[in-house]
Amino acid sequence: NAGVTQTPKFQVLKTGQSMTLQCAQDMNHEYMSWYRQDPGMGLRLIHYSVGAGITDQGEVPNGYNVSRSTTEDFPLRLLSAAPSQTSVYFCASSRNRGAGNSPLHFGNGTRLTVT
Amino acid sequence: DAKTTQPNSMESNEEEPVHLPCNHSTISGTDYIHWYRQLPSQGPEYVIHGLTSNVNNRMASLAIAEDRKSSTLILHRATLRDAAVYYCILLTNFGNEKLTFGTGTRLTIIP
Repeated sequence: NAGVTQTPKFQVLKTGQSMTLQCAQDMNHEYMSWYRQDPGMGLRLIHYSVGAGITDQGEVPNGYNVSRSTTEDFPLRLLSAAPSQTSVYFCASSRNRGAGNSPLHFGNGTRLTVT
Repeated sequence: DAKTTQPNSMESNEEEPVHLPCNHSTISGTDYIHWYRQLPSQGPEYVIHGLTSNVNNRMASLAIAEDRKSSTLILHRATLRDAAVYYCILLTNFGNEKLTFGTGTRLTIIP
């Protein structure tokens, strides 16, 4: 059981480049979400999805796009990377669409550096 | 949006119980109380969650105050592997668009 898989583990970008962080889960979970964690800080929600075809913004959505074409995948796109987007990114999923009464399962993160 | 408040750090001796507090005075009736822990260079790991009643699982116990404005995560017998940052968060079934984890409590276990 792979759980939540994030790729790549590490990435270095130059300012202005674009890239997609991949997140896949094999648990048939309805709820998926992306967070960023900056040094010495907790996780902040970027975007989330309560099912295929449905996405919504979290606390810090600017500079990021998401889509959810399948239940399994929830990619996060950086259209034009900026140094302020240097962070560790975590993807998480939960069985229920509401995510209140079921655990969040996290991936091991993608460490992104923008120079 | 309901927020949680936790001490920045705590220490405990190995093999002793640990009580990690969390205040959530603005909790609403539909908020579930969740606890996660994060080891260095890893993603957060689920520990336990509850709504109103105390909960037990193989990892820990969750004690919820009668008015639900606070809760305590109890590790019954701390080991060195329990050293981590512990986060208390509130999750609802009706949208979590403002969800943040805060800075949590850094638990140090003394051998």
